[in-house]
Amino acid sequence: QQQVKQSPQSLIVQKGGISIINCAYENTAFDYFPWYQQFPGKGPALLIAIRPDVSEKKEGRFTISFNKSAKQFSLHIMDSQPGDSATYFCAASMSSGKLVFGQGTRLTINP
Amino acid sequence: EPEVTQTPSHQVTQMGQEVILRCVPISNHLYFYWYRQILGQKVEFLVSFYNNEISEKSEIFDDQFSVERPDGSNFTLKIRSTKLEDSAMYFCASKGGAGSGTQYFGPGTRLLVL
Repeated sequence: QQQVKQSPQSLIVQKGGISIINCAYENTAFDYFPWYQQFPGKGPALLIAIRPDVSEKKEGRFTISFNKSAKQFSLHIMDSQPGDSATYFCAASMSSGKLVFGQGTRLTINP
Repeated sequence: EPEVTQTPSHQVTQMGQEVILRCVPISNHLYFYWYRQILGQKVEFLVSFYNNEISEKSEIFDDQFSVERPDGSNFTLKIRSTKLEDSAMYFCASKGGAGSGTQYFGPGTRLLVL
C-alpha cells in the first residue's frame, strides 16, 4: 500500500521528442506527488509537483498529468533535450511528510 | 539560493566501525529527513526528525542507527557498527513546514563499507 510503481525502467527518446514516464500508487492517503531529477553522483532535485485536487500542472517543458480515480500520474517532457538525460523518480507523500519513491526511470535523449 | 549541504562527500570505513554523516539543512527549515540509495536502486526513507525527536522511522532504521541535532544547524546520522550492506548513498533532506510538501535534498554522502 505504501508502494509507488514507476515505468518504464529506461527510456530512449530522440531530441525534440516527448518523454513520458508513468507512476501508479495504491494509498489514497497520499496527497503530494513530486517528480525528482537526479544526475549521476548528485542528490535528487525537485522538478515539478502536484496535489490531487488538480489534473494537470505545467512548468515550461514539464507537465504532470494526474488521474485521481485511476491512482496514476505521469511526467511529460516536451521537446526533450540531451541535457534532460538523467534518472527521474516519481514520489508520493502524505501528512507525515516522508517520501515514498518509485523505482526510477533512466532517460536518455539522443541528439 | 539556500541549499542543504552534507559532509563528507565520500566515506570509506571498515565493517564494524562507527560512522557519522553530517548535514546542514536549510536554515529556517524545521523538518529533517535521512534517505539512502543503494547503487542503481530507488531512494528509500530512513527517518524523519522534528522538534528534536524522531517522528517516523523505517524498518531499515534499526538500533544501529541514530540521529541527532547537536546544535542549531547540524543534523547527523550515526551508524554504530557498519555492515557491508550499509554501503549506499545517504541523502539528507529538509522541509520548511508541516505535512506533505517540498523536500530539498543534499548532494549525498557515498558510504563504502569494506
